[in-house]
Amino acid sequence: NAGVTQTPKFQVLKTGQSMTLQCAQDMNHNSMYWYRQDPGMGLRLIYYSASEGTTDKGEVPNGYNVSRLNKREFSLRLESAAPSQTSVYFCASSETDYNEQFFGPGTRLTVL
Amino acid sequence: RKEVEQDPGPFNVPEGATVAFNCTYSNSASQSFFWYRQDCRKEPKLLMSVYSSGNEDGRFTAQLNRASQYISLLIRDSKLSDSATYLCVVKVGAGSYQLTFGKGTKLSVIP
Repeated sequence: NAGVTQTPKFQVLKTGQSMTLQCAQDMNHNSMYWYRQDPGMGLRLIYYSASEGTTDKGEVPNGYNVSRLNKREFSLRLESAAPSQTSVYFCASSETDYNEQFFGPGTRLTVL
Repeated sequence: RKEVEQDPGPFNVPEGATVAFNCTYSNSASQSFFWYRQDCRKEPKLLMSVYSSGNEDGRFTAQLNRASQYISLLIRDSKLSDSATYLCVVKVGAGSYQLTFGKGTKLSVIP
């Protein structure tokens, strides 16, 4: 039982490049989330998916898109990376959107 | 006013000491409260929920004061392994997507 897994662990991009961050959970959770964590800031919600087939914007959605591919997987896409998107990205899941969230190990992204 | 405020620390305490962290929140409609722990370069993990009557889990005690919009975490008999950043987290509405995270308080327990 791996919990929440994220790939890649590290990534360096140039401004304007695109990439997709992958997240998968094996806990049969319904709800999944993407956060970013910046130095001196609390975690901020980018997008969430309350259940398979639905996605909604969080606090800081600009510059990102998401796909809830199936119940297990929730990906985050940066279409045209900007230096302001340099951050640590965490994926999380919960049984429903009323339960405790479990976090993945994070992806450290640098945009040059 | 920031939604969830914490003293960033760092708090440097000797092993065996008692240390307390405080957190204030601005939204009086907040419904649920939590403390998460985050080790350096790791993901946050739930430490404990905070209940209105106060609750204890081993060496950890959490308190909530709704009137003052204030949450606290007390750690007794600090261990080296308690060194981490402690995040105060508030749920504004019913859904988990409505979690608001504080910036965290860093604790270093010194031998």
